[in-house]
Amino acid sequence: KAGVTQTPRYLIKTRGQQVTLSCSPISGHRSVSWYQQTPGQGLQFLFEYFSETQRNKGNFPGRFSGRQFSNSRSEMNVSTLELGDSALYLCASSLGQIIHEKLFFGSGTQLSVL
Amino acid sequence: AQSVTQLDSQVPVFEEAPVELRCNYSSSVSVYLFWYVQYPNQGLQLLLKYLSGSTLVESINGFEAEFNKSQTSFHLRKPSVHISDTAEYFCAVSPLSGNTPLVFGKGTRLSVIA
Repeated sequence: KAGVTQTPRYLIKTRGQQVTLSCSPISGHRSVSWYQQTPGQGLQFLFEYFSETQRNKGNFPGRFSGRQFSNSRSEMNVSTLELGDSALYLCASSLGQIIHEKLFFGSGTQLSVL
Repeated sequence: AQSVTQLDSQVPVFEEAPVELRCNYSSSVSVYLFWYVQYPNQGLQLLLKYLSGSTLVESINGFEAEFNKSQTSFHLRKPSVHISDTAEYFCAVSPLSGNTPLVFGKGTRLSVIA
C-alpha cells in the first residue's frame, strides 16, 4: 500500500509569490491534516479536511488556505509569501472517523522563501 | 486547550546507555497521549500511544512510556539505545472527546554516539 505522497519535495520561492503544495493520502483515508514544522516552533497545526470539508483550523493567517478533492487528495496554498513562511510542510492522513487515531505522515515539502 | 512541553531540545547519549525523553502536558480534560518519531529526511511515525488501561505502554523497538496523571507526564524511556535510534521525538496530546487535532511538543533531538 502506497504511503502519503507529498509533491514537490523542495520549493524555492521569493517574497510576494504564491505557492501550492499537494498531498495524496493513503488509499481509503478520508482525513488529511497539514502541519508547519520549523526548528523553533516544532509542529504547528494548519488545518484538517475530512470528506472535502474543513473540519479544523489552526491559528494561521488567511494567506494559508487549503482544499480537499473528492478523491481525498488535498492541496494547500500560501499567498503573498513571507520570509517567515520558510518551513517543512507536512501532510498526514488517517481514516478520519476518530480524530485522534493514528496519523500517517508524508515526507514533507521543504519551502524556502528568499 | 491542551499544551505539551518537552523539557529537553537535545539529548546526546552513548550507544547502549539508557535514555529518558521528558514530556509534560497541560489539559483541563482527560487526554490521549502519543509519541511520534521523525528519522532524518522523513515524516513522523507513530511510536506508541496511551489511550486507556495500563499506564505503561511499549513499542516494538524497545521504547516504553508511562502515563502519570498526577504529574501530567508521559516520559519516554529506553534501557539501551542504538545508533539507529538517532532521530527527533515528538510528544503529542489529544482530548478524549471532540474532533480536535493533535497538539505536538517542540521535539527532542536524540543523538546516539558510538
